[in-house]
Amino acid sequence: DGGITQSPKYLFRKEGQNVTLSCEQNLNHDAMYWYRQDPGQGLRLIYYSQIVNDFQKGDIAEGYSVSREKKESFPLTVTSAQKNPTAFYLCASRVRDRGGNEQFFGPGTRLTVL
Amino acid sequence: AQKVTQAQTEISVVEKEDVTLDCVYETRDTTYYLFWYKQPPSGELVFLIRRNSFDEQNEISGRYSWNFQKSTSSFNFTITASQVVDSAVYFCALSRGGATNKLIFGTGTLLAVQP
Repeated sequence: DGGITQSPKYLFRKEGQNVTLSCEQNLNHDAMYWYRQDPGQGLRLIYYSQIVNDFQKGDIAEGYSVSREKKESFPLTVTSAQKNPTAFYLCASRVRDRGGNEQFFGPGTRLTVL
Repeated sequence: AQKVTQAQTEISVVEKEDVTLDCVYETRDTTYYLFWYKQPPSGELVFLIRRNSFDEQNEISGRYSWNFQKSTSSFNFTITASQVVDSAVYFCALSRGGATNKLIFGTGTLLAVQP
C-alpha cells in the first residue's frame, strides 16, 4: 500500500536535546512538507522540499533543520534552539506540478519535551 | 497576504442533523486553490476536496457538499444527516498552487456529533 509513514508516533525528549522525526513516503512524490500543529491552531509550515537535495524554509523554520538525500525520505530535526518544541508534527507530500494538487499527510508524531 | 478564517471553533450537533462549516478566505491572487481536510482523533489529515478559483460549481459527494462563492470569498462545507463518525476537526486551506503549493490553513472547526 502506498502512503506516508512517520515514526515514532509519540516521542519524549529532555530539554536541551536534539531529536529527529522520520518521514518516509512510497508514493513517488517529488515534494514533501513538514508542518507543526499546536492545540486549537491550524497547521504551520516548517520546511518544504520540491526535489532531492533541495529544501526551503517555511514560516516557522527557526530551531529546526531538515535534509532530503533521498526522494522517499524527509527527516526533521528539532534542535535545542527551538524554544517551544512540544507539538504535533505532520509530514506531507504531493506530486509536484504547476497546479494546486492536494497534499497527502502522514499519521503525525507527537513530541513532548520534559 | 493570504488568510483563511474559520470563525466556528466548535460545533455540537445531534446525529442526523445537517451542519455547515464556514470558511472565509482572503487572497489577491486570481488563481488559487481551496481545500478541505478532516482530522479525526487519530491525528492524520484526510483530504476531502480541492477546488480551483475558476470553478465555482458546487459539489456533492454522498452526504458532503461544498458551496464555493467568489463574491463572498467563502467555501463552506455542509454535512447532511450527520453521523457520529463525522466527529473530527475540519480544516479549510488555501494555496496559490504552482511548484511549491504552500498551504495556508484556517484554525479548524471541531465538530462533535452526539448520538
